[in-house]
Amino acid sequence: EDKVVQSPLSLVVHEGDTVTLNCSYEVTNFRSLLWYKQEKKAPTFLFMLTSSGIEKKSGRLSSILDKKELSSILNITATQTGDSAIYLCAVAPISNFGNEKLTFGTGTRLTIIP
Amino acid sequence: ETGVTQTPRHLVMGMTNKKSLKCEQHLGHNAMYWYKQSAKKPLELMFVYSLEERVENNSVPSRFSPECPNSSHLFLHLHTLQPEDSALYLCASSQDAYSPLHFGNGTRLTVT
Repeated sequence: EDKVVQSPLSLVVHEGDTVTLNCSYEVTNFRSLLWYKQEKKAPTFLFMLTSSGIEKKSGRLSSILDKKELSSILNITATQTGDSAIYLCAVAPISNFGNEKLTFGTGTRLTIIP
Repeated sequence: ETGVTQTPRHLVMGMTNKKSLKCEQHLGHNAMYWYKQSAKKPLELMFVYSLEERVENNSVPSRFSPECPNSSHLFLHLHTLQPEDSALYLCASSQDAYSPLHFGNGTRLTVT
């Protein structure tokens, strides 16, 4: 059974700090790893990492996939209060309908103190 | 406002009631999903539809009944629910089987 473990479970930092969120996974026939941000209700897509795209960056957010260590990190630099959210990690195996087998972690709750 | 709209936002129902959750996507996607999100648990996939055909039913109790009349609309019909069914129900869509999911704001369901 596929598995995703995120750490830490929660994190509280001050505005301006840099944070690193971790995601470890076990999956048969890895296809992709995704990061989502969930502020109130709707998770919003951040990044998708695959064997052909192991590093992504968008503004202050960046993510790296380590296929050897079966893990990924999400970095947020110069954090702002708007970064407060739950960050979800998910992995998808190679299958007939990839998203059918998408496995989510429980998330990391990030709180930014002004 | 996301490209996936869910109604109602909140729903309180008794265990003998029948209600339906509605989801509409305005993104031209081909796949739609129902997820359940309970406190301190990972998102759980309930149902997947691709081009209006159900792809998978992940051993969901029969008191939950999905309906996908077309590629833009998805319903979740509820009847004789249990208190443990109280959760946030999220609808999502994707362009195809491998593209990232786009989620709606969810329906917060409370079963009394």
